[in-house]
Amino acid sequence: AQSVTQLDSQVPVFEEAPVELRCNYSSSVSVYLFWYVQYPNQGLQLLLKYLSGSTLVKGINGFEAEFNKSQTSFHLRKPSVHISDTAEYFCALTGGGNKLTFGTGTQLKVEL
Amino acid sequence: ETGVTQSPTHLIKTRGQQVTLRCSSQSGHNTVSWYQQALGQGPQFIFQYYREEENGRGNFPPRFSGLQFPNYSSELNVNALELDDSALYLCASSSGDRHSGNTIYFGEGSWLTVV
Repeated sequence: AQSVTQLDSQVPVFEEAPVELRCNYSSSVSVYLFWYVQYPNQGLQLLLKYLSGSTLVKGINGFEAEFNKSQTSFHLRKPSVHISDTAEYFCALTGGGNKLTFGTGTQLKVEL
Repeated sequence: ETGVTQSPTHLIKTRGQQVTLRCSSQSGHNTVSWYQQALGQGPQFIFQYYREEENGRGNFPPRFSGLQFPNYSSELNVNALELDDSALYLCASSSGDRHSGNTIYFGEGSWLTVV
């Protein structure tokens, strides 16, 4: 069985401050890892993905994530957030098929 | 813009009724998956269709069924609607039945409210 845990349901942060959204996973097989963003009343947009190779993955909108196999983590980071980054962020994994297992999401709220 | 379109965007149904949701996948994609996202939750995998055949199913009862057509568009049907079926239903398209690094694209979803 596979699972994804997002440890923080909400993360408030001031504009231009750095942010880290945490994601831990559990799987008995090798996995591909993803971060998706969901803006209000919209579908999911892929931010970045880890398939193999370099453990530091860069995505869109200045986000990056680091895959840590020993800690089974895939935390998302941004050095300086903007008001427009306010959204729900989902960590997800797949063991190779197209079925994605999602975490429960982290609401990022950027304040002035 | 992901190229995945879903209809309708919003609908209200009464408990016990049936509903059909539709999805047009991105051009060239032969795999469609459906997810249910309840309010405040992450999306949950319902099932996947690859080349018109169901190719994986999540923990959903048989009253959730689907179809994929030769042009790879898809329908999700839910019979005997229950209040807990109220959710955002997301369609996702990709190429191939196994993940090969290709991105999975999501539509904007259909909001279903069951009253």
